[in-house]
Amino acid sequence: DAGVIQSPRHEVTEMGQEVTLRCKPISGHNSLFWYRQTMMRGLELLIYFNNNVPIDDSGMPEDRFSAKMPNASFSTLKIQPSEPRDSAVYFCASSFRAGPTTNEKLFFGSGTQLSVL
Amino acid sequence: KQEVTQIPAALSVPEGENLVLNCSFTDSAIYNLQWFRQDPGKGLTSLLLIQSSQREQTSGRLNASLDKSSGRSTLYIAASQPGDSATYLCAVRRSGNYGQNFVFGPGTRLSVLP
Repeated sequence: DAGVIQSPRHEVTEMGQEVTLRCKPISGHNSLFWYRQTMMRGLELLIYFNNNVPIDDSGMPEDRFSAKMPNASFSTLKIQPSEPRDSAVYFCASSFRAGPTTNEKLFFGSGTQLSVL
Repeated sequence: KQEVTQIPAALSVPEGENLVLNCSFTDSAIYNLQWFRQDPGKGLTSLLLIQSSQREQTSGRLNASLDKSSGRSTLYIAASQPGDSATYLCAVRRSGNYGQNFVFGPGTRLSVLP
């Protein structure tokens, strides 16, 4: 398996523009996570899907952020409109969560480095 | 609210030394704890997972211990090599429920000098 695939690797945009980040999880995984990493705040969970359904979106900072998972093999994180403070590395991760007592490992993509000017 | 801290923030050692990285968490009611490695410009790679009922896990030169009562975990790296240079993060999961996910520490940046 190619692992978790994210695109683009780098994104530079101007304030106010729409940004769409993409993620393809590992085949067979049923849980998908979007994280944001900054020097100041570390790694923060934005949203978590299980079986394509959003379970916890309490980490989504504002209404400008939205995420979708239309099927088991694709997810998007959209920022509209983007602001300079959104600049960060955005990671997608996936896992197989078999039930309430699963001790699953997370598999991360290589991330998208977002710069909003 | 669970808070995870890691000390030191950065560490530089000569090749061959044994070293210990520390992870502390405020809520001892955890389900499991994972140690991850992050190379510059890359995502995180899971190294070891310790369940709450376990006290340690080993993989090659890595040994992770867990003391739930004191809210601490350590990652021991034996005979360090330059290839071990990376940032090491720990993450705790509070319960096995679907809605409970990992809380990450800020990481320790390790440099192993040849």
